[in-house]
Amino acid sequence: TQLLEQSPQFLSIQEGENLTVYCNSSSVFSSLQWYRQEPGEGPVLLVTVVTGGEVKKLKRLTFQFGDARKDSSLHITAAQTGDTGLYLCAGANDMRFGAGTRLTVKP
Amino acid sequence: ETGVTQSPTHLIKTRGQQVTLRCSSQSGHNTVSWYQQALGQGPQFIFQYYREEENGRGNFPPRFSGLQFPNYSSELNVNALELDDSALYLCASTLWGMFGGYTFGSGTRLTVV
Repeated sequence: TQLLEQSPQFLSIQEGENLTVYCNSSSVFSSLQWYRQEPGEGPVLLVTVVTGGEVKKLKRLTFQFGDARKDSSLHITAAQTGDTGLYLCAGANDMRFGAGTRLTVKP
Repeated sequence: ETGVTQSPTHLIKTRGQQVTLRCSSQSGHNTVSWYQQALGQGPQFIFQYYREEENGRGNFPPRFSGLQFPNYSSELNVNALELDDSALYLCASTLWGMFGGYTFGSGTRLTVV
């Protein structure tokens, strides 16, 4: 079992601010996925990163996969209230999830 | 294409009872995974089914069992329910071997009283 640690656990910011959340492991992943989950719903896939050092952009969201494929980060630029949710990372090796970062963006 | 459908959406059971949760996978997907998500936590992997066989299991006791049917739909059965089994149960499907990630259903909210 490959343990994924996400930080911070909670994050509360004002609309318009930038933020970065992290997903770390001591294990190497063939690929890693980020999901966002809203209350009462299942997680929704945002991105899959596969290559070490890879950077993917999804509008205001930038995802980076570490060179050694053991860690990843998600950066949000100019956060909006609609970004509020639980951000989860999961290793494709065994589809285990981290505990998530609960983001609240206040107007 | 249809997404992942789970039923029922909500369920209340008494401690000691048994429950069956159902999941229809997304069209074209042949692999189903089940997760338990306690309030405020990330999803915890229960098990995965591929070709109607269990293909990986998390740290859950044997009273959690499952089935996958030839049409790739799946059931999660929990016997001898305990209060701590109260959670959101998520089903997710994918096509085996794809990096495309999983499609999740909206879950079944189980409350054990």
